[in-house]
Amino acid sequence: EVQLLESGGGWVQPGGSLRLSCAASGFTASTYAMSWVRQAPGEGLEWLSSISASWGSSDYANSVKGRFTMSRDYSKNTLYLQMNSLRAEDTAVYYCAKGPSGGWSYIDYWGQGILVTVSS
Amino acid sequence: QLVLTQSPSASASLGASVKLTCTLSSGHSAYAVAWHQQQPEKGPRYLMKLNNDGSHTKGDGIPDRFSGSSSGAERYLTISSLQSEDEADYYCQTWGTGTIVFGGGTKVTVL
Repeated sequence: EVQLLESGGGWVQPGGSLRLSCAASGFTASTYAMSWVRQAPGEGLEWLSSISASWGSSDYANSVKGRFTMSRDYSKNTLYLQMNSLRAEDTAVYYCAKGPSGGWSYIDYWGQGILVTVSS
Repeated sequence: QLVLTQSPSASASLGASVKLTCTLSSGHSAYAVAWHQQQPEKGPRYLMKLNNDGSHTKGDGIPDRFSGSSSGAERYLTISSLQSEDEADYYCQTWGTGTIVFGGGTKVTVL
């Protein structure tokens, strides 16, 4: 069974940093494209970043480019999102998501989400 | 620019059907989309991938009540025999090189 479990969320002050983790099970995460998506309170879904499978290329939404970095640890079957220079508007539930193949595509599995609150 | 447009809300009676629309932006009418359901206070759930020819691939355990169809730049999600648990937000999603795009979502109310 495919499972994605996010961790590392919480409260952080503006300008601070946080690293989210997404532990994958039931499949080998390195062979699939993986993504991070967030949802601000009362808002819709916003794509943040994706990383392709074997060649590991990644891309980012303009709203987080230069501040957020996505990476993976093949040995731990885990995905990460390093978030720097956090702003109040980054407050959201963050979801880890899996694609059905190694390249850019749709999302076929979602994590349960983790809340990040950026506030002074 | 790749954009998906959805109506903000839809409603139908218990046991009836509702058809949701997702419209692809100009020049992108051949793109496939995926539909996702988000029940209140829950994370999203993948429903199906819908191709421009109307063929679709459902996620694990998705009931037959959920079906998809396509016409031109429009992608539809039809929910038949509406049940109370179908009251949720529904998002369409597509992708291009280096990007994933979501529609704004449609809130379905079961009357």
